Amino acid sequence: AQTVTQSQPEMSVQEAETVTLSCTYDTSESDYYLFWYKQPPSRQMILVIRQEAYKQQNATENRFSVNFQKAAKSFSLKISDSQLGDAAMYFCAYRSSPNSGNTPLVFGKGTRLSVIA
Amino acid sequence: NAGVTQTPKFRILKIGQSMTLQCTQDMNHNYMYWYRQDPGMGLKLIYYSVGAGITDKGEVPNGYNVSRSTTEDFPLRLELAAPSQTSVYFCASSYTGWDGYTFGSGTRLTVV
Repeated sequence: AQTVTQSQPEMSVQEAETVTLSCTYDTSESDYYLFWYKQPPSRQMILVIRQEAYKQQNATENRFSVNFQKAAKSFSLKISDSQLGDAAMYFCAYRSSPNSGNTPLVFGKGTRLSVIA
Repeated sequence: NAGVTQTPKFRILKIGQSMTLQCTQDMNHNYMYWYRQDPGMGLKLIYYSVGAGITDKGEVPNGYNVSRSTTEDFPLRLELAAPSQTSVYFCASSYTGWDGYTFGSGTRLTVV
């Protein structure tokens, strides 16, 4: 079974600075999908960014970008120009290709990000 | 567009009681899921469904039951509630097997 590891339970960043959240995963598959979700204090789960494993180009969404290292099985999230509204729990998640069967998302344990004004 | 709607948002149950957590989506998504979130443990899959009439167990199915009679609804049933079922429960859906999920707003359940 696939596993997702987020080794940083908590991180903090100064407002307007850049922070990188780490995520590693274990899989024997070559085709899969990776996600970062944000959970603010409201508890709502919000999709931040998505990466297809077959794409070498790193995904980017405004201030959010990923560093996808397939060989190293690493999928880090970089938040640039951090804002107070970025304070949240961030979850990394893995999903197998549908060719492997109907496999739901597997989540890491999360990283709590604090933003300091 | 309501997305994924979960009810109730909060509930306190006594040990041994039963209840159903409701989940409805209006996006015509085939795939639906139930997760529980415990502090420091991430989200763990309870049950999921790939279409009406089809359900499968996830990582932590004991103590729960589901049904999927329609595309829109995927209720989660707790029988004989136990303190170990105190958690936040999330329902989610996706259109395909490779999309990210749309989540409901969660149900905080306390069993005392």
